[in-house]
Amino acid sequence: AQTVTQSQPEMSVQEAETVTLSCTYDTSESDYYLFWYKQPPSRQMILVIRQEAYKQQNATENRFSVNFQKAAKSFSLKISDSQLGDAAMYFCAYLRADKLIFGTGTRLQVFP
Amino acid sequence: NAGVTQTPKFRILKIGQSMTLQCTQDMNHNYMYWYRQDPGMGLKLIYYSVGAGITDKGEVPNGYNVSRSTTEDFPLRLELAAPSQTSVYFCASSDQGLSQPQHFGDGTRLSIL
Repeated sequence: AQTVTQSQPEMSVQEAETVTLSCTYDTSESDYYLFWYKQPPSRQMILVIRQEAYKQQNATENRFSVNFQKAAKSFSLKISDSQLGDAAMYFCAYLRADKLIFGTGTRLQVFP
Repeated sequence: NAGVTQTPKFRILKIGQSMTLQCTQDMNHNYMYWYRQDPGMGLKLIYYSVGAGITDKGEVPNGYNVSRSTTEDFPLRLELAAPSQTSVYFCASSDQGLSQPQHFGDGTRLSIL
């Protein structure tokens, strides 16, 4: 069974600092996609970043980057220069074929 | 751009009642999905559709039905509401499948009492 584990229910960071959110997953597949989604209090799910498993290069989107360790089945999200607007729930998700499996989320608080 | 529109935003049902959650998208996306999000949890896929006339079960389909008669609309039907179906429901769409970014609606908060 494919599972996604986010071991940090809550994290906090000071504005302008860097924070890393952890995600591990379990799979026997070699070709798949991984995602980080942000869910602010407005509830809307917003795609932050996407990683294709066959690409060794870590994905980057502006202040957001991932550390993808395929052998360790680890997919952490690094947020640099944190901003107040980054405060939200962050969900890691794994995709294989037609199934998108979400982790339980990490609530990120950003302090001024 | 409207994107993905869900109605209603909130609803309270009695046990055994039925209702339809509406979802429509104006991006001409072929793929559409329904998820539920329980408190403190991530989203779980209920049903999805890869095009008009085609639907398939996701991870948690029991107690729900869907139809896809047009590209734009993908309603989710609860026939006999149960307390276990209290959740927030999200509809999403994407252009070419799950590997492409999904566009989400704002969600419907449903309470079964």
